[in-house]
Amino acid sequence: GQQLNQSPQSMFIQEGEDVSMNCTSSSIFNTWLWYKQDPGEGPVLLIALYKAGELTSNGRLTAQFGITRKDSFLNISASIPSDVGIYFCAGPTNAGGTSYGKLTFGQGTILTVHP
Amino acid sequence: DADVTQTPRNRITKTGKRIMLECSQTKGHDRMYWYRQDPGLGLRLIYYSFDVKDINKGEISDGYSVSRQAQAKFSLSLESAIPNQTALYFCATSDPASRDRLDGYTFGSGTRLTVV
Repeated sequence: GQQLNQSPQSMFIQEGEDVSMNCTSSSIFNTWLWYKQDPGEGPVLLIALYKAGELTSNGRLTAQFGITRKDSFLNISASIPSDVGIYFCAGPTNAGGTSYGKLTFGQGTILTVHP
Repeated sequence: DADVTQTPRNRITKTGKRIMLECSQTKGHDRMYWYRQDPGLGLRLIYYSFDVKDINKGEISDGYSVSRQAQAKFSLSLESAIPNQTALYFCATSDPASRDRLDGYTFGSGTRLTVV
């Protein structure tokens, strides 16, 4: 089945540093989603990407939809302690076809920010 | 009040017991989903439903069943719980009007289930 491979699995950084994480797939996706999960909560959407090459920002977050449609990255600039959490990439199950709302998730990147 | 509410938030149960996890939503969405989260594996789809009369298996449905009691309610049952069903379970809803634009997805806060 479809798989999304996310890296790195975990990151330990100092407050103020920039962060970069990525997600790759062997299948083409027509949508890439980036979620953040705070401890004890469900995932919350950060950025949605719908077009190859698209670069979208949300505050200090920037995400790009890779040209090959098989990868995406998420950058966080000037990290702060509240950036701590698990970051997931996700895409529609059945990749280029109609997913009917089903999502396939990456394994997640655990981010720890030291003050 | 949360848009998607899951109960209970935490539950410990014994092997072999039947347990039900409940989900209710105020989003008015027709589509509802149950996902399971395990460390290092992300979220995986268990079951999904597009309306009260529609139930579909997801990636990992074995050992689970669901019931869509109303548009706003979608319950997940473990018929005979086993330890490897220990996980964090999430209910979610989405808006079919957005078709494959998936930014309308809303997750509940999760149920942490431990099977001993």
